[in-house]
Amino acid sequence: QKEVEQDPGPLSVPEGAIVSLNCTYSNSAFQYFMWYRQYSRKGPELLMYTYSSGNKEDGRFTAQVDKSSKYISLFIRDSQPSDSATYLCAMGLFQGGSEKLVFGKGTKLTVNP
Amino acid sequence: EAQVTQNPRYLITVTGKKLTVTCSQNMNHEYMSWYRQDPGLGLRQIYYSMNVEVTDKGDVPEGYKVSRKEKRNFPLILESPSPNQTSLYFCASSLRKRRGRGDTEAFFGQGTRLTVV
Repeated sequence: QKEVEQDPGPLSVPEGAIVSLNCTYSNSAFQYFMWYRQYSRKGPELLMYTYSSGNKEDGRFTAQVDKSSKYISLFIRDSQPSDSATYLCAMGLFQGGSEKLVFGKGTKLTVNP
Repeated sequence: EAQVTQNPRYLITVTGKKLTVTCSQNMNHEYMSWYRQDPGLGLRQIYYSMNVEVTDKGDVPEGYKVSRKEKRNFPLILESPSPNQTSLYFCASSLRKRRGRGDTEAFFGQGTRLTVV
């Protein structure tokens, strides 16, 4: 079983839709969870990060973590064409003096006007 | 402007010819790292550095070297590149408030597309 699983999509939605992006993971030791957005030919940019189970909201974006189910989600409300990008989940832990960071493979999202 | 700068953006080289990809950040960040991104495999960490003179292996360090002599620079060195190192490379930096917590991987460079023939 892979440490982090993310559906690659592609996902296509109309403008204004609510988008749900998800990742599952197998390593219960992961301590923090992140979502990145990557536009074509650009580096990833950090959207959200959280350390605990529950919801974290930032504008139109909500990150949700369920540690008991080993499941994280990113919700985008009122999606816009400018949200069209690849979204990467990432999970990390710090242990024994070193850090482990694992990324999902990314979900490609297209928001159609 | 806060940024992570990688050079070159594009590079085609031949097998065995040593090369260096530079990475520089202007945010006084302690933490820097290198990733490679491949279709179907996603982003994988090559090396990271918690601070000057402190580096550690990531998931795929074989065939790469790094150094951190100054806080702002973190070059990636391929001593003898091979075709399986053809990939898109990203450098990243962040201000680490506490080990294991904080603004992890907050800034990525624009990427270096490397082709080894």
